[in-house]
Amino acid sequence: QKEVEQNSGPLSVPEGAIASLNCTYSDRGSQSFFWYRQYSGKSPELIMSIYSNGDKEDGRFTAQLNKASQYVSLLIRDSQPSDSATYLCAGFDSWGKLQFGAGTQVVVTP
Amino acid sequence: DAGVTQSPTHLIKTRGQHVTLRCSPISGHKSVSWYQQVLGQGPQFIFQYYEKEERGRGNFPDRFSARQFPNYSSELNVNALLLGDSALYLCASSPGQGGEQYFGPGTRLTVT
Repeated sequence: QKEVEQNSGPLSVPEGAIASLNCTYSDRGSQSFFWYRQYSGKSPELIMSIYSNGDKEDGRFTAQLNKASQYVSLLIRDSQPSDSATYLCAGFDSWGKLQFGAGTQVVVTP
Repeated sequence: DAGVTQSPTHLIKTRGQHVTLRCSPISGHKSVSWYQQVLGQGPQFIFQYYEKEERGRGNFPDRFSARQFPNYSSELNVNALLLGDSALYLCASSPGQGGEQYFGPGTRLTVT
């Protein structure tokens, strides 16, 4: 079982709609979680970090963390074609190593 | 402020050769981490250095080694290259040992 699991997609989202991305993790000792956006051929770019249960909003992005269910999610509101990318979920494990999921590809269709 | 820089951008090596990749962190950041990313997968943790000491090592063979210099820049060395070492090698810096990590542009290594 991988430490961090994501649906690979692709997730097809109409322009202007909400994209919902999910991530589960296996290490109950994990405390800090991050969402990165990666365009094809580029390096990951940090878009959100979340450290406590609940929601955190930043512009069109909302991250949600539920430690009891070991679940992290990212919502992208008013999706734009420029949001088309692979979204990586990551979390520090109990040994302090940052573990990444395989990523979810999002395709925003005009 | 300049972000994380890495060199070279691209590299082609032959099996059995050795390679050195370099990384300069964001000014003021004291931690550098190295990752390997193959196509279709997320980055895999290789090493973390903080204050010039190794603070974590991923599940990679001893052919992989790294070090951090007094100015907090870092090198990743890979010996006896295998075809399977072909990947994007990413460096990330962070202010401390935990917390948010910021990635450089990566070095694309091709082993033939």
